[in-house]
Amino acid sequence: KNEVEQSPQNLTAQEGEFITINCSYSVGISALHWLQQHPGGGIVSLFMLSSGKKKHGRLIATINIQEKHSSLHITASHPRDSAVYICVGGADGLTFGKGTHLIIQP
Amino acid sequence: DTEVTQTPKHLVMGMTNKKSLKCEQHMGHRAMYWYKQKAKKPPELMFVYSYEKLSINESVPSRFSPECPNSSLLNLHLHALQPEDSALYLCASSQDPNGLYEQYFGPGTRLTVT
Repeated sequence: KNEVEQSPQNLTAQEGEFITINCSYSVGISALHWLQQHPGGGIVSLFMLSSGKKKHGRLIATINIQEKHSSLHITASHPRDSAVYICVGGADGLTFGKGTHLIIQP
Repeated sequence: DTEVTQTPKHLVMGMTNKKSLKCEQHMGHRAMYWYKQKAKKPPELMFVYSYEKLSINESVPSRFSPECPNSSLLNLHLHALQPEDSALYLCASSQDPNGLYEQYFGPGTRLTVT
């Protein structure tokens, strides 16, 4: 059975800080998704990656296939980045991490 | 059009009612999903349709009955629900069901069972 472990579970930071959320996954997972959900809001897919690194604005996602590890970074964090971030492993279906509750304080 | 739409946005139903949730996408995606999400938890997969056929049923009680009338539409029929079924129900679609393509999520239906 595929597994995805996400950390930290909760993270509070000050505006402007560099944020890192980590995700480890089991053998068998061949793609990693990062999702964002604002409080009371819908879910947005931020990245899907199977190798290397992707960047969109202040968000960067990396994946290390050998170590089975992915990270989501937020540079120059802002209160509007406050949300739940979920990593999801893809392979013959989807395996969800438990999510990271991120709060950015002004 | 990269949108997944869901209706209704909110639904309140009694335990003896029958209601349906609807989901629609026009991106030509061949995989469609139903998820249930409780407060402060990640979504839980309920069903996956692949090419209009049910491919995954995550041991969901029979009071939830999915239907895929065509490649753009997905329904979730509800009957004799329990109060613990109150949750946000999310629909999603992707190019294929194997988790190797980006998922697009609808805004969800907030269901309250009284």
